[in-house]
Amino acid sequence: AQTVTQSQPEMSVQEAETVTLSCTYDTSESDYYLFWYKQPPSRQMILVIRQEAYKQQNATENRFSVNFQKAAKSFSLKISDSQLGDAAMYFCAYRSGGEGSRLTFGEGTQLTVNP
Amino acid sequence: EPEVTQTPSHQVTQMGQEVILRCVPISNHLYFYWYRQILGQKVEFLVSFYNNEISEKSEIFDDQFSVERPDGSNFTLKIRSTKLEDSAMYFCASRSDPVAKNIQYFGAGTRLSVL
Repeated sequence: AQTVTQSQPEMSVQEAETVTLSCTYDTSESDYYLFWYKQPPSRQMILVIRQEAYKQQNATENRFSVNFQKAAKSFSLKISDSQLGDAAMYFCAYRSGGEGSRLTFGEGTQLTVNP
Repeated sequence: EPEVTQTPSHQVTQMGQEVILRCVPISNHLYFYWYRQILGQKVEFLVSFYNNEISEKSEIFDDQFSVERPDGSNFTLKIRSTKLEDSAMYFCASRSDPVAKNIQYFGAGTRLSVL
C-alpha cells in the first residue's frame, strides 16, 4: 500500500518570504499522480498544484511550485512571496494511475504566515 | 465555476441514529468519492463510486456505511447506526472522465457530531 509522509507538523514564514513544505511517499508503481491540497480554517480542501509522475518537469502555478524527485520519492511544495491568505493546513496526496483511484493523504503541515 | 455542494454543513445526531450526508457533485463528473477527517488527523478515503456501483472501498467502510446516487445528481453517504467515533468531517469529491486532469474536486464538507 502507498504511504505519504509529511514530517513537518508546523511551519512558519514571514510575509513575502519563501517557504518549502516537505513530502515523501512510498510506492512500487511507476504511474501515479501527486497533489498538494490546501485546507484553510473553513476546512474546504482546495487543490494547489498537481504533478504527473511521468513528467520530469516540475509543475508550477503562479507562486506555487514543486520539486519532484522521483528516484528519492520526494515531492516538496515551494511557496514564493508568501501572503497572509496562504496560512492553512497543507496536505500532500498520492493517487495511483488507475481509473477512479483513491487519494492517499499525508498528515498535513500547518503553515503560519507572519505579517 | 462549478463546485461540489454538500449539505448540511453541520449535523448533530445521537449515538445509534441513522444519518444521511448529501452531496451534489459537479454535473458532468463521473467518479464520486467520500473521505472523512477526524479532528486533528489525516484525511482518509472511505469509498469511490462509478457507473452506479462502488468501485473501491476502504477498511473503514463497513456494513454501517452505504452510498447511493438516487437521482442522477445527488450522491449520498448513509451511516446506519452512528457511533461516537463516527464524529468527523466528511468530504465528498468528484472527478470527470479519465482523460481529464485526474483532479478530484472537494466540497466544503459536513461536520458530523455524534453525541
